[in-house]
Amino acid sequence: NAGVTQTPKFQVLKTGQSMTLQCAQDMNHNSMYWYRQDPGMGLRLIYYSASEGTTDKGEVPNGYNVSRLNKREFSLRLESAAPSQTSVYFCASSEALGAGVYTEAFFGQGTRLTVV
Amino acid sequence: AQSVTQLDSQVPVFEEAPVELRCNYSSSVSVYLFWYVQYPNQGLQLLLKYLSGSTLVKGINGFEAEFNKSQTSFHLRKPSVHISDTAEYFCAVRYMTTDSWGKLQFGAGTQVVVTP
Repeated sequence: NAGVTQTPKFQVLKTGQSMTLQCAQDMNHNSMYWYRQDPGMGLRLIYYSASEGTTDKGEVPNGYNVSRLNKREFSLRLESAAPSQTSVYFCASSEALGAGVYTEAFFGQGTRLTVV
Repeated sequence: AQSVTQLDSQVPVFEEAPVELRCNYSSSVSVYLFWYVQYPNQGLQLLLKYLSGSTLVKGINGFEAEFNKSQTSFHLRKPSVHISDTAEYFCAVRYMTTDSWGKLQFGAGTQVVVTP
């Protein structure tokens, strides 16, 4: 019963390098999310996908792109990493129970990214 | 504007003493409310949630929270803490709008440090 799985767990990038953070969930949830966590700021939404085939910007989307590859997988790409993107990244998923009603969000273990 | 405020960034507490973590929100629409816990180098785990019904909500590990609509608060309490409760605690709000898609807005977090 894996839930939400993120890879890699740790990554160090040089400024300007690119990378993709992978996320997969096995709960058959329609909605998936990418958040970043920074000290003193809680978690902030980067992008979300309400369902397979759709993606939309969250609160802090600049510098990121996403792909909802299928219902299970939702990846986050940094095209040209910057030191300001040093953060812990969390993927999450939830499921709609009815009109506007969702389960709680289930989170992965996080990816700790350092950009030097 | 909608916001979530956790009034204390850090709360030191002695083992077996009670603890209260404060959370206030501002919203023009109805909300669902959540408390999550994050242990060091871990993902987020749901402690409890308020969706509707009784305003006193009980969660895991002996935690409870009370929803106060008039004060727009959702404070978390535990009558007697253990060393293992040392963690960061996040209050989160889901706004009940047709375009919420299950998104959460988080407070900045409260670090609880339990000492013997």
